Amino acid sequence: DAKTTQPTSMDCAEGRAANLPCNHSTISGNEYVYWYRQIHSQGPQYIIHGLKNNETNEMASLIITEDRKSSTLILPHATLRDTAVYYCILTLGAGNMLTFGGGTRLMVKP
Amino acid sequence: GAVVSQHPSWVICKSGTSVKIECRSLDFQATTMFWYRQFPKQSLMLMATSNEGSKATYEQGVEKDKFLINHASLTLSTLTVTSAHPEDSSFYICSARDLGWDSGNTIYFGEGSWLTVV
Repeated sequence: DAKTTQPTSMDCAEGRAANLPCNHSTISGNEYVYWYRQIHSQGPQYIIHGLKNNETNEMASLIITEDRKSSTLILPHATLRDTAVYYCILTLGAGNMLTFGGGTRLMVKP
Repeated sequence: GAVVSQHPSWVICKSGTSVKIECRSLDFQATTMFWYRQFPKQSLMLMATSNEGSKATYEQGVEKDKFLINHASLTLSTLTVTSAHPEDSSFYICSARDLGWDSGNTIYFGEGSWLTVV
């Protein structure tokens, strides 16, 4: 799977939108972009995924650039419970194994 | 989302003994499950891919005779750490792929199992 690059850490004020970037400049045409998060001492939680189009669900929005070389996960109104490590992962086809990188540690502050 | 359950959540065992961790998909059938290990302040490392009815595929550097994986049914995979040693102490996490028609083949994770070998 192609590699992704994420900032190591980010801060966000409670109630504000959290925008988490992910670069994947070598992504191939059939690779999906998946986002998971891991709250301390828990298993990763699925957030959202997409291939080409922007996606939105009850948790977040995923914005994928037209050239697919980068994407942004948006948490529209961050809460303290959104403090976690967020992983951007590429996978060949939907549902293939996930290879985790370092992720972004998001700290939501009051 | 779909639910994947692990048991036990935490376990302490003596060095040299074996311990089994169960991973169940509660509301979907999973032909493929994945086992990960995570050390403190590190990311998840894939250990093996477990396929229902066939042998698991292990990642390079993971000892298949030490980490026994059994995937005997569509809803259950087990990881047995044999002859455990203190260096095997870690957070073990399983995941399962939901192949349901409306699931998007999404992979869901269990809550994880903390293993401490003393």
